[in-house]
Amino acid sequence: DSGVTQTPKHLITATGQRVTLRCSPRSGDLSVYWYQQSLDQGLQFLIQYYNGEERAKGNILERFSAQQFPDLHSELNLSSLELGDSALYFCASSPRQGRIYGYTFGSGTRLTVV
Amino acid sequence: DQQVKQNSPSLSVQEGRISILNCDYTNSMFDYFLWYKKYPAEGPTFLISISSIKDKNEDGRFTVFLNKSAKHLSLHIVPSQPGDSAVYFCAASEPMTTDSWGKLQFGAGTQVVVTP
Repeated sequence: DSGVTQTPKHLITATGQRVTLRCSPRSGDLSVYWYQQSLDQGLQFLIQYYNGEERAKGNILERFSAQQFPDLHSELNLSSLELGDSALYFCASSPRQGRIYGYTFGSGTRLTVV
Repeated sequence: DQQVKQNSPSLSVQEGRISILNCDYTNSMFDYFLWYKKYPAEGPTFLISISSIKDKNEDGRFTVFLNKSAKHLSLHIVPSQPGDSAVYFCAASEPMTTDSWGKLQFGAGTQVVVTP
């Protein structure tokens, strides 16, 4: 157990639907990051939050949004889902200098859009 | 624009031999580099990192080498063990700024298979 909890582990939904992925960071970590891993692709950075505020944005689609709540858990909302959104979605957390000591990743949510 | 590239999708190595994984990057602003290891059905786990002010960092069986002029880093695993069979991701970060906030950019990964 890495200390980062992602729910659900698996999600199957239809095109056009909306889903919410949830992440609870490791205790004490203020930064949360979301990454997408599609088939044969690396981890694509989506978005980062630090202590409730958005800090960096990657190639996140306009149909996707995220937030970090006062208790530091984060949610990634995916709407108007398309087949190409099928992927593994990872959440990671870190202390402020996570780039030095590494992020702690959750085990991911596998999203399948049918 | 993929700024971190791992051009070898897979590597097969015999147990006891050396595994060498390569990674190239294009962004000269990167100043921290990390390697992550990922088993199936698990998230990536941090393995080893190196600052751009160094050219080598060692941790047990794992050594990372950085060649800044070539924008290239490599991970050496000696000796390779069956438990090392996993996907290895190279990652890089720019300095902490208001824009980048030190986010990590990852390569596509290299699948390592260690055979008996």
